[in-house]
Amino acid sequence: DTAVSQTPKYLVTQMGNDKSIKCEQNLGHDTMYWYKQDSKKFLKIMFSYNNKELIINETVPNRFSPKSPDKAHLNLHINSLELGDSAVYFCASSPGTGSYNEQFFGPGTRLTVL
Amino acid sequence: GQQVMQIPQYQHVQEGEDFTTYCNSSTTLSNIQWYKQRPGGHPVFLIQLVKSGEVKKQKRLTFQFGEAKKNSSLHITATQTTDVGTYFCCLCGDDKIIFGKGTRLHILP
Repeated sequence: DTAVSQTPKYLVTQMGNDKSIKCEQNLGHDTMYWYKQDSKKFLKIMFSYNNKELIINETVPNRFSPKSPDKAHLNLHINSLELGDSAVYFCASSPGTGSYNEQFFGPGTRLTVL
Repeated sequence: GQQVMQIPQYQHVQEGEDFTTYCNSSTTLSNIQWYKQRPGGHPVFLIQLVKSGEVKKQKRLTFQFGEAKKNSSLHITATQTTDVGTYFCCLCGDDKIIFGKGTRLHILP
């Protein structure tokens, strides 16, 4: 009965490939997020969706495209992977948008680009 | 743009000593959240502060929100090995989310 789940947990791939990371939450939350955590452990927001509508879209390369088929799912597709994309990607969800709502994080997906 | 500065970046303490991490913003905050991430784990919500001058306690953890709502602190009394991890503050707004760079706490036995 995992609250926020991500697949895969580990992803090792070559430069130039296209890959997707999936996220699902069973908490009935309206808002979902994608974060990137680099090797220095800095946690940076990439996107947030509220009821399938894009709310936050930070300046990330347009090789990154989020897709929310329904409010329980927020997937992240990455085209033409680069070495600098190597990081841990966290999905999170909250009852509503950021303010006054705690976020529940998934276990993370460690992406390694060779 | 709005910035959130968190210090120190690292802290080594002997088990049983106290620990404090500070978060400062360039602008007034509507609220601030604190998260803890254990090594190899994911961030876990600790608390949210909303009111000016607010102080909240969770066992050995004390959270404060400054009177001007521009700074916050997390203080741990008598650290234990279970306190190891990285503590993040977050300006978690509706259309803007900024996490501090975190304070990594190491406990020396």
